[in-house]
Amino acid sequence: GEDVEQSLFLSVREGDSSVINCTYTDSSSTYLYWYKQEPGAGLQLLTYIFSNMDMKQDQRLTVLLNKKDKHLSLRIADTQTGDSAIYFCAESPSNDYKLSFGAGTTVTVRA
Amino acid sequence: DADVTQTPRNRITKTGKRIMLECSQTKGHDRMYWYRQDPGLGLRLIYYSFDVKDINKGEISDGYSVSRQAQAKFSLSLESAIPNQTALYFCATSDRTGDNYGYTFGSGTRLTVV
Repeated sequence: GEDVEQSLFLSVREGDSSVINCTYTDSSSTYLYWYKQEPGAGLQLLTYIFSNMDMKQDQRLTVLLNKKDKHLSLRIADTQTGDSAIYFCAESPSNDYKLSFGAGTTVTVRA
Repeated sequence: DADVTQTPRNRITKTGKRIMLECSQTKGHDRMYWYRQDPGLGLRLIYYSFDVKDINKGEISDGYSVSRQAQAKFSLSLESAIPNQTALYFCATSDRTGDNYGYTFGSGTRLTVV
């Protein structure tokens, strides 16, 4: 959606770190999410962060939030071929309200 | 069985035909949503329902209608399909409680209007 912006493509070498960036415009965004979509599949929730947090780490995933700049990033450490997918950033003013999605970043992992 | 099931998985239909996409869930969630996905545009909200008696339009509801037949079922209809409704359609559910964040998505219905 136009309220959430992401770059469309990212190519990364296997074993390197991937960083996917997202910006949003709604200052009332309370919940921010990262979803992963593998080919032919639905969206799978990867992780989420509340607006009162700066960082969240979950195994190979690190989410950074700069609320002042309305910038969200997802870092994938030691990127693997199985990480090739489309990654969507999404925001919501509450945990169960309608989500606004970015256009998705297609991550391609090359050997 | 999947938590959120969409049928059919794929459908090709002709311009002007009426078509219904169905969604059922076993999550026990109150809230259900229909999104469409187009390349480069992400997911856009068509309709959403917070309970059986509550139906709301999303950002792109023109040309679509919905029916919430029960808590577990939420169907999307295209009364007279047109080619620019060719897209991947997703149903999703969410829970109002504080323990469950984000949506649960179905696997999608790929619709082609020729």
